[in-house]
Amino acid sequence: QSVLTQPPSASGTPGQRVTISCSGSSSNVGSNFVHWYRQLPGTAPTLLLYRNNQRPSGVPDRISGSKSGTSASLAISGLRSEDEADYYCVAWDDSLSGGVFGGGTKLTVL
Amino acid sequence: QVQLRQWGAGLLKPSETLSLTCAVYGASFSGYSWTWIRQPPGKGLEWIGEFSHSEGTRYNPSLKSRVTISTDTSKNHFSLRLTSVTAPDTAVYFCASGPVGSGPWYNYWGQGTLVTVSS
Repeated sequence: QSVLTQPPSASGTPGQRVTISCSGSSSNVGSNFVHWYRQLPGTAPTLLLYRNNQRPSGVPDRISGSKSGTSASLAISGLRSEDEADYYCVAWDDSLSGGVFGGGTKLTVL
Repeated sequence: QVQLRQWGAGLLKPSETLSLTCAVYGASFSGYSWTWIRQPPGKGLEWIGEFSHSEGTRYNPSLKSRVTISTDTSKNHFSLRLTSVTAPDTAVYFCASGPVGSGPWYNYWGQGTLVTVSS
């Protein structure tokens, strides 16, 4: 069971906007930055957002993130077939003194 | 351009010791955190532990008694050692790195190594 809670699945049609939530507690999401990763089958994860809402170079601005209290969310607008992947949130946990991941959300583009 | 290349034994018997190494190209050890993460087949990611010069070594409490992360700065390598492995330790193991002090924010990842524990 993961420390951070994500919905196991999400879906949308091309062009739609989808959001993926990430819920934690005061010792992780509530007091530290949240980062997001995208993972395609059989590959290593790649950084999608860092520090809640910052995009690494090469990530399009249709990808956005936000955080409020002990919850964070990832939003993808203008959904495309290549967005179909697994998405993970992660944050530092002050109580555990380590990183904690969400269980991952499988995004399907219908 | 930072690159990570990892290697190690892919098949272990229960009670043996897992040993993986990650070579770092294009960066020195200072200024970055050096991390190991694993992913059991069909499951999510689990943070194992990290090393940085400023923070030292920190481990997942659930694995702390069995895990050691070490560095060899002369070879620009860092390594993972996990003792007394059992079937639940079967996973793809990734090395990763990112800016030190920024939390689990990793720009760079190794290619992953599947480690299977089976008698």
